[in-house]
Amino acid sequence: EVQLVESGGGLVQPGRSLKLSCLASGFTFSNYGMNWIRQAPGKGLEWVASISSSSSYIYYADTVKGRFTISRDNAKNTLYLQMTSLRSEDTALYYCARRGAYYVMDAWGQGASVTVSS
Amino acid sequence: EIVLTQSPTTMAASPGEKVTITCRASSSVSYMHWYQQKPGASPKPWIYDTSKLASGVPNRFSGSGSGTSYSLTISSMETEDTATYYCQQWSSNSRTFGGGTKLELK
Repeated sequence: EVQLVESGGGLVQPGRSLKLSCLASGFTFSNYGMNWIRQAPGKGLEWVASISSSSSYIYYADTVKGRFTISRDNAKNTLYLQMTSLRSEDTALYYCARRGAYYVMDAWGQGASVTVSS
Repeated sequence: EIVLTQSPTTMAASPGEKVTITCRASSSVSYMHWYQQKPGASPKPWIYDTSKLASGVPNRFSGSGSGTSYSLTISSMETEDTATYYCQQWSSNSRTFGGGTKLELK
């Protein structure tokens, strides 16, 4: 069974940093591109970042470019999102999602909650 | 960045009613994906590559479209279809979601 489990969320002050992790199991992690998507409370889905299977290709939404860094460790089956210079508008549930065939996000984690507040 | 605009943002349908949700792209895209999300749950892939149903999706659902206009259709609304539906596109350097359509039971 494909499983994605996010961790590392929490309450953080504006301007500080936080690193999210997503542990993958049930599939060959190194064969798949991965994504981070977030959802602010009561709002819609917002794509945050994507990384290819070998980390050769990385893309960011304009709203996080220069502040967030997506990375992966295929030996540990883990996806990361390093978030710096956090703002109140970064408050959201952060999902990791696998990129499947046809570039659909075919598996999602349960999400990690990030709250940016003083 | 390609912007996706969904309409309507909210709608209510009676059991058995036909439902159509539209997603318009600011520039032409090659295909569209759709996700279903229920309260408190993670999104699920629902329709991919414009018209292919994800595993387990009832065949009363269908997807169509091309260029800048895409749609998700439910031929006959059922109670379990109440959810929020999001369209999503994947271009060379960005992926964007529509704002979502909340579908309620009338």
